[in-house]
Amino acid sequence: QVQLVQSGAEVKKPGASVKVSCKASGYTFNHYDITWVRQLPGQGLEWMGWISTYSGDTNYAQKLQGRVTMTTDTSTSTAYMELRSLRSDDTAVYYCTKISTWYDSEDWGQGTLVTVSS
Amino acid sequence: EIVLTQSPGTLSLSPGERATLSCRASQSVISSYLAWYQQKPGQAPRLLIYGASSRATGIPDRFSGSGSGTDFTLTISRLEPEDFAVYYCQQYGSSLYTFGQGTKLEIK
Repeated sequence: QVQLVQSGAEVKKPGASVKVSCKASGYTFNHYDITWVRQLPGQGLEWMGWISTYSGDTNYAQKLQGRVTMTTDTSTSTAYMELRSLRSDDTAVYYCTKISTWYDSEDWGQGTLVTVSS
Repeated sequence: EIVLTQSPGTLSLSPGERATLSCRASQSVISSYLAWYQQKPGQAPRLLIYGASSRATGIPDRFSGSGSGTDFTLTISRLEPEDFAVYYCQQYGSSLYTFGQGTKLEIK
């Protein structure tokens, strides 16, 4: 069965960077793209960006342009999301998702809590 | 960027009742790329509906989706206790995704 297993919770200081990993199993990794979604405490879902696991092409949400980088390592079937220049309002649960043929997310990672605090 | 507006913000109903949730887009959405998710506290979202009207794997038939263009609806025909949660619509277009702000379905 499809599994997306994310790295553990992180605590970072303002201005630092965080890199969250998402290890996929149960399917052919480079046949399906990955998106990253975050959820601020008590808030809704925010789409962060998308990466093609086949070509490495990316597209990021405009508000995160310049601070976020998404990459993949096809040899380990792992996707990564790096967010730089962290601020307190980046405190959120970060999810990776596998994109289906219909551009929806049937499979989600368990989420990674990133806390930004001085 | 397409903005999705969900209504109502909160819906208070009793088990057994019918729930109707709305998702309105700021411009026309490709129906094939409109999805609905359910999220319970402390859990990742779960895909309910894709392609505006197709149920995802394992989703009970009391959940149905409809709509096209700029107006989409998620209907839960008879609410079960486990259906009380937050629901989000999502669309994909031009390599961008957007989510609605969510509708909280609470027990009356």
